Amino acid sequence: GAGVSQSPRYKVAKRGQDVALRCDPISGHVSLFWYQQALGQGPEFLTYFQNEAQLDKSGLPSDRFFAERPEGSVSTLKIQRTQQEDSAVYLCASSSRADTQYFGPGTRLTVL
Amino acid sequence: KQEVTQIPAALSVPEGENLVLNCSFTDSAIYNLQWFRQDPGKGLTSLLLIQSSQREQTSGRLNASLDKSSGRSTLYIAASQPGDSATYLCAVRPPRGANNLFFGTGTRLTVIP
Repeated sequence: GAGVSQSPRYKVAKRGQDVALRCDPISGHVSLFWYQQALGQGPEFLTYFQNEAQLDKSGLPSDRFFAERPEGSVSTLKIQRTQQEDSAVYLCASSSRADTQYFGPGTRLTVL
Repeated sequence: KQEVTQIPAALSVPEGENLVLNCSFTDSAIYNLQWFRQDPGKGLTSLLLIQSSQREQTSGRLNASLDKSSGRSTLYIAASQPGDSATYLCAVRPPRGANNLFFGTGTRLTVIP
């Protein structure tokens, strides 16, 4: 595709609901990253995939957060039992080599 | 843990002015540094990437410098235009072997026509 796409663009969830956020990376990109951006802050790293392997999940804030990339392409970030502090923009990025990451438009999650 | 700071947090300038955005980082052991632009409701667009061995990079009206030993980078924008209005983020990548980026909190730039 032309760029990284994410869906949905906006998600409103009631506290306690589970949500799933999707990322479609640029075709052929091996590396995929998830970041969380709180209002007025810079993005913070959550997790990294190389193909289908999750090589780094050190940034996931709790065991309620789970990410997968089963076929080495599309990735899903799942948040269980959402809480208000999970409200943020979730950004996905992909790269073909380690230097340049291309970012999607993000999913804005609001937990009420 | 690497800490990245950007000053100022917000900046307003009249159209046509030259301006400098600042970025500092606490750990000088970096692989590269990147400047991004973020428009409201949109993702990040990469502007310039400086490898740790480089001192500066230029693209059009943009020039980024890197002083790794002092943990500082600047983004110089010449002849600013209203279309330059956006949030500018700098990010550092740790040495080879790590892949995540550490971001600053950004500088929100407004160029007044």
